[in-house]
Amino acid sequence: DTEVTQTPKHLVMGMTNKKSLKCEQHMGHRAMYWYKQKAKKPPELMFVYSYEKLSINESVPSRFSPECPNSSLLNLHLHALQPEDSALYLCASSHTVGQGLGYTFGSGTRLTVV
Amino acid sequence: GEDVEQSLFLSVREGDSSVINCTYTDSSSTYLYWYKQEPGAGLQLLTYIFSNMDMKQDQRLTVLLNKKDKHLSLRIADTQTGDSAIYFCAVPNSGGYQKVTFGTGTKLQVIP
Repeated sequence: DTEVTQTPKHLVMGMTNKKSLKCEQHMGHRAMYWYKQKAKKPPELMFVYSYEKLSINESVPSRFSPECPNSSLLNLHLHALQPEDSALYLCASSHTVGQGLGYTFGSGTRLTVV
Repeated sequence: GEDVEQSLFLSVREGDSSVINCTYTDSSSTYLYWYKQEPGAGLQLLTYIFSNMDMKQDQRLTVLLNKKDKHLSLRIADTQTGDSAIYFCAVPNSGGYQKVTFGTGTKLQVIP
């Protein structure tokens, strides 16, 4: 298995809703990442997990809450989002942080906040 | 922080070669990457080059690295309509590989 699987592919949520994005990989990768991508822009790093521990939080608002339950799963819990949070949310993984061989990305969750 | 710049748009005819350019500011990077993003999809790692190399060839893809000028390029030979996508170069931030800065992205349009 050489894929990163993200669910759901599309999500529409109201500003008072709570929802979660899920990311799964079975490549034995020990580093996992959340990126946010707005239209016509490059991906922006949100969080880095290394060996299931949060390694980097790029000053992301607390309405985004990451969780890494085990080495294969990464969740992003969403609560009280704003319309400007609408974007493509990408999950990625790599063998380890710093291994230099690049990332494997999922196909993303397109989030619309109404 | 790292600045990674690319031209926004490139249009080529099918069968021609495409050259996508990238400039960066941090010279300590040891690996540099090229990713491809098709509409509605995630990013796909195309290739990477180690900084002690000037050139790397992988089938239709050729990566050129000029460390002195901090310039990276991706050449696609015999460009096909399936190559139409946005291409991002990516450079690890200084001090480690936990952070990677993506370039601004170049949209490649292939005209049949």
